[in-house]
This record gives sequence, C-alpha cells and structure tokens, in this order.
Amino acid sequence: GAVVSQHPSRVICKSGTSVKIECRSLDFQATTMFWYRQFPKQSLMLMATSNEGSKATYEQGVEKDKFLINHASLTLSTLTVTSAHPEDSSFYICSAGSGGSDTQYFGPGTRLTVL
Amino acid sequence: GQQLNQSPQSMFIQEGEDVSMNCTSSSIFNTWLWYKQDPGEGPVLLIALYKAGELTSNGRLTAQFGITRKDSFLNISASIPSDVGIYFCAGQSPNSGYALNFGKGTSLLVTP
Repeated sequence: GAVVSQHPSRVICKSGTSVKIECRSLDFQATTMFWYRQFPKQSLMLMATSNEGSKATYEQGVEKDKFLINHASLTLSTLTVTSAHPEDSSFYICSAGSGGSDTQYFGPGTRLTVL
Repeated sequence: GQQLNQSPQSMFIQEGEDVSMNCTSSSIFNTWLWYKQDPGEGPVLLIALYKAGELTSNGRLTAQFGITRKDSFLNISASIPSDVGIYFCAGQSPNSGYALNFGKGTSLLVTP
C-alpha cells in the first residue's frame, strides 16, 4: 500500500510556542489530506480537510487561526499548532488520499506534549 | 462529523477464541472501513467495504457492510496474541468530503 510519513514522530514544547508537523505522501500524489487528533483512550476526531492549493476546511470547534494548515504540494501538508497550550497535547495523525472515494492512508502520528 | 457507536468497548479473550465487534450509525455511509491501531502508531486498514450487503474476508478477518448501510461488523476467527490492539470502524461518504467518521474503538486483549 501507499506510504504516508509524518515528522516529527514526537515533540515536546513549552507553552506558548508554535509547533509544525509535516505529513508527506511518499509514493503517490495526495489531492486531499486529512488531519485528525486523538486524545488518550479516545477515537480519532477529524480536525480539518486539506485540498492541495486551496484553504483547508475546518470542523466545528477547531480554531483555524490556532491550527494552521498548509497543503502547498501534492505530497506535503503541514499542521502548525500556534501558541500551544497543555490542552493541545495529543496524538496528531494525518491521512492522505488521491481524491474521491479512494482509500486513505494514515501516517504514523505525531505525539505532541506541551509543558 | 459524527462519532459512530461501536461495541463492545473492550474484550478480554483467550487465544483461539473468535471475536465479534460491530458498529452502527444514525446516517448512511457509502463505505465502511475497519482499522487496527497499535499503541503510538497510526491506524492500519484491515478491510474496506463498498457495497451494502458485501461480505469480505482478509485472512482470519471477516467484515460485512449492513444492508441498511448504517452498520457493519468485524469478526476475527481463531484469535492469536498479535491480534491485540484497538480496532476502529469508520464510515465514509461523499457528503462529508470523504473524511472518515470513526467509532470509539474496541480494545482487544488476547491471552496465550
């Protein structure tokens, strides 16, 4: 199957700083990338849908000015958590698809810890 | 998006036993998917179902897409210790831009 990578796999930062997480599709072009957040012992919750070259669509309750998403190319999307706070500590997972009903492939996730 | 109702929440079984878990939704999906997630990793796709009534197998795993398009089940036969993990169902439809709506997960523990 297709491979999706995320970087970094784990990050610890101080409260108030910004953190950038990268999601790359390694062997296919991803017209659409999705960003999910997973708190401990909970399910994955969609944060936003990102289409290459256009603005991301955010789910209700997700602050677009706090979680900046850039999908500048068909193989890369970035999520920047701005002015991170301890409550933003979570497991952030991206998935990528080549459009339509095609299967989505998940990245390995990024564990963010905000002190 | 909505969160799907998945049950049971957890299962603790002996190696060799069969396992069954299911998922229901208040809305219709065009695609049902089953994923397994190991701690600290992203979900891995196990089975994808694209048609109401479809029954699909992948090794010891069998899943079905409900006729009403609002439910699905996953069976694991003859469980082994490496089946341990959290299993998630997910529904997908064009109405939600093909984003996945996940169930709450079923935590499976298998004792040798």
